Amino acid sequence: AQSVSQHNHHVILSEAASLELGCNYSYGGTVNLFWYVQYPGQHLQLLLKYFSGDPLVKGIKGFEAEFIKSKFSFNLRKPSVQWSDTAEYFCAVNAPGGSYIPTFGRGTSLIVHP
Amino acid sequence: DSGVTQTPKHLITATGQRVTLRCSPRSGDLSVYWYQQSLDQGLQFLIQYYNGEERAKGNILERFSAQQFPDLHSELNLSSLELGDSALYFCASSVGTGVSYNEQFFGPGTRLTVL
Repeated sequence: AQSVSQHNHHVILSEAASLELGCNYSYGGTVNLFWYVQYPGQHLQLLLKYFSGDPLVKGIKGFEAEFIKSKFSFNLRKPSVQWSDTAEYFCAVNAPGGSYIPTFGRGTSLIVHP
Repeated sequence: DSGVTQTPKHLITATGQRVTLRCSPRSGDLSVYWYQQSLDQGLQFLIQYYNGEERAKGNILERFSAQQFPDLHSELNLSSLELGDSALYFCASSVGTGVSYNEQFFGPGTRLTVL
């Protein structure tokens, strides 16, 4: 069964700092990868997704993620965070050919101080 | 706004009781997914329905059941509630159930508190 690990459970940054959140998955075949964000009191929203092609994926709000197949990783990055990026971030993996149900990581809580 | 609606937003009940959570998917979406989010377990997939039929099951307890109606809205029934069932329950929808269609859109959630 596929699994997803998000190593950083809590991250605290100051505005303008750079962000990188780690996501590793365990599945040897083709995968679809997602990052979702959950702002305080709101529902999960899709930040970006990778299905195929360019492993560097750009999403909304200046976020990007890089798929490194050899490392089974899909890390989320943002060069300069803002206070409004304070949220919970979830990595999700889906393996085509399976049940098509994404497996979510435990989430990373990001707090950005102004 | 994702287009997925859930009611009620908050639910407070006692142990042993039964509750029903409701979800209306985005217009045109045939798949509905239910998730439970708790502090210690993270986001856990419970069950998926596609066009009225159960398609996949996750970590759903036998005390929980769901169904999807002809108008595609879905209900999650939780019975014999325990304190540990207190959580945020999310519904998500997607167009279909194949790989090209598994981008999910989440509703605002129902916060269930069992006292």
